[in-house]
Parts: sequence; C-alpha cells; structure tokens
Amino acid sequence: GAGVSQSPSNKVTEKGKDVELRCDPISGHTALYWYRQSLGQGLEFLIYFQGNSAPDKSGLPSDRFSAERTGGSVSTLTIQRTQQEDSAVYLCASSIDRGSYEQYFGPGTRLTVT
Amino acid sequence: QQQVKQSPQSLIVQKGGISIINCAYENTAFDYFPWYQQFPGKGPALLIAIRPDVSEKKEGRFTISFNKSAKQFSLHIMDSQPGDSATYFCAAAGESGGSYIPTFGRGTSLIVHP
Repeated sequence: GAGVSQSPSNKVTEKGKDVELRCDPISGHTALYWYRQSLGQGLEFLIYFQGNSAPDKSGLPSDRFSAERTGGSVSTLTIQRTQQEDSAVYLCASSIDRGSYEQYFGPGTRLTVT
Repeated sequence: QQQVKQSPQSLIVQKGGISIINCAYENTAFDYFPWYQQFPGKGPALLIAIRPDVSEKKEGRFTISFNKSAKQFSLHIMDSQPGDSATYFCAAAGESGGSYIPTFGRGTSLIVHP
C-alpha cells in the first residue's frame, strides 16, 4: 500500500512569509507525528496527534508554529513569519495507533528560508 | 536534556567489517528501542527494534544488543556493505502522560568503503 506522503518535497520562501507543509499518513493510522531535522542534528519532535484527542504540542518551538489534522487523516504544519533558523527538513510519521511505537516516515519537506 | 545519547557521530568501516553504534538512555520508563536507517533525501525507515524483555535480537546482518541494567543498547552490522552507508538513529519510547513519543539520538553517519 501507499506510504506516508508529504508535499511539497522542497519549499523555498522568503523570510517573513508563511508556509504550509502537508502530510498524508498511511490509511488507517491514527497516530501522526511531525519532526524537524536540521543539518547534522537528530529528529526534533514538534507535535503529535492521536485520533480525536487533543494534540501534544509540547515540541513546538514557538507560537509561529501550528498544526492541524482534519478528519483524523491529513495534517498541515503551518509556520508563520518564517525565519532563517526555520530552514530544515520537516518529517511526518504515522503509526497504526497509540500503542504502537512503529513509525513510518514520509520523505520530508526541505524548507529553505532566504 | 538529551535523553538518548548516541555514539559515535560518524563511523567509517571497510567492506566486510563490523559496524557498531551505541546508545544510552536515562528514562527507565522506556520500553521500546528501535533503530532507524536514513538514506540521503529519504525519511528514516525502521530497521530493527527490541523490547527490554530480551537481551538480543537479530535480523539478518543486523543485531541489537540490550543491557537493561546499564541502560544501554547497541546496533551491530555484520559483514558491512557499501549499501549500508547511511545515517542510523537509535530511539527510545515509552508511554508518558498518554503520549507515545519516541526520543531520538542525534544519529551516526556510517560510511562503508568498498
């Protein structure tokens, strides 16, 4: 079956602009995660959605970052007033349910803020 | 606070050699320890994982060794091949306040010379 998909694959934006990154999880997966991966760094957790529960936003670095998940499926990560330090690869992952730690990652969106 | 410490940061091995990557964790509530493999331009992919009720798990050329008392686990790649050249991430996960959010190490860049 189809894996996790993300769009766009690459995004170049000017400092101060807003961007939206999209994630389509594997069908039937109720848990969805967003991570940020900077050059030479590990995976920085951003936000976690589980079914219809309130998301865990504890990893969002600032109030410029927000995310939503519509209908328990597609998720959008929004970064407002982008800064150069926001440049990174943004990864989305899904897992079948809250009790399963096995995560399936998408290919990521490479964001460059100029 | 880095809850999962991974070493080395980079590793160069000759074809046919053994690659060893180590991780240490602090939180005794962790109960799932996966390793992910990431090729350039791709998202991480689950390689192998272990639960703390066993000390070793082997899948083909890949073995996880787990030492619960020392809170350490390691990945061994036997007969390393150039195609194994990638970045490897360890992670640790456990339920915390209803969330199942893995904590990742910073990654090890492995290069296998032919």
